[in-house]
Amino acid sequence: DAKTTQPTSMDCAEGRAANLPCNHSTISGNEYVYWYRQIHSQGPQYIIHGLKNNETNEMASLIITEDRKSSTLILPHATLRDTAVYYCIVLYNFNKFYFGSGTKLNVKP
Amino acid sequence: KAGVTQTPRYLIKTRGQQVTLSCSPISGHRSVSWYQQTPGQGLQFLFEYFSETQRNKGNFPGRFSGRQFSNSRSEMNVSTLELGDSALYLCASSLAPQNEKLFFGSGTQLSVL
Repeated sequence: DAKTTQPTSMDCAEGRAANLPCNHSTISGNEYVYWYRQIHSQGPQYIIHGLKNNETNEMASLIITEDRKSSTLILPHATLRDTAVYYCIVLYNFNKFYFGSGTKLNVKP
Repeated sequence: KAGVTQTPRYLIKTRGQQVTLSCSPISGHRSVSWYQQTPGQGLQFLFEYFSETQRNKGNFPGRFSGRQFSNSRSEMNVSTLELGDSALYLCASSLAPQNEKLFFGSGTQLSVL
């Protein structure tokens, strides 16, 4: 499985957009990029995934660079409830997920 | 629709004992996977089951085992507990193995004394 690199932590003001970067420079052509988040004491929650096109759903947007070596998860209007650890994962052929260390997003009032 | 249910929520054991954790997937989900989460190692994949068969296994010793029943419920067992087995054990279910959306339970917090 391709490995990912994420910043350890980030701060964001409530109501502003949170942009979480992820580097996956060894990604292969058929590996998807997934994002999950984990709020303290809960199991991880699926957010969004994509292959090469940008994706948007009710929770977030996923921007994948043209060379697919990096991506950005965008939470358009962060709230205090978005404070969590965000995991960027690349997955080949729907095999087991490798979660990595993730980014701790602190949303501040 | 009920989510993934894990029991018990908390468990305290002593070294050398064994433990069994239970996971009931979302109704209709047939794939169940297990993860161990510790502060030092993060989330690590243990194993995945589908139709009562283990499909994938992570890099854990043989003391860690699991099974899946015909109703898709799953159990994992850890024998001869060690202090390092203290962790949050998370179960996730999905419709099928090749499905991108994993739904996680709240986990079982195991403390080994």
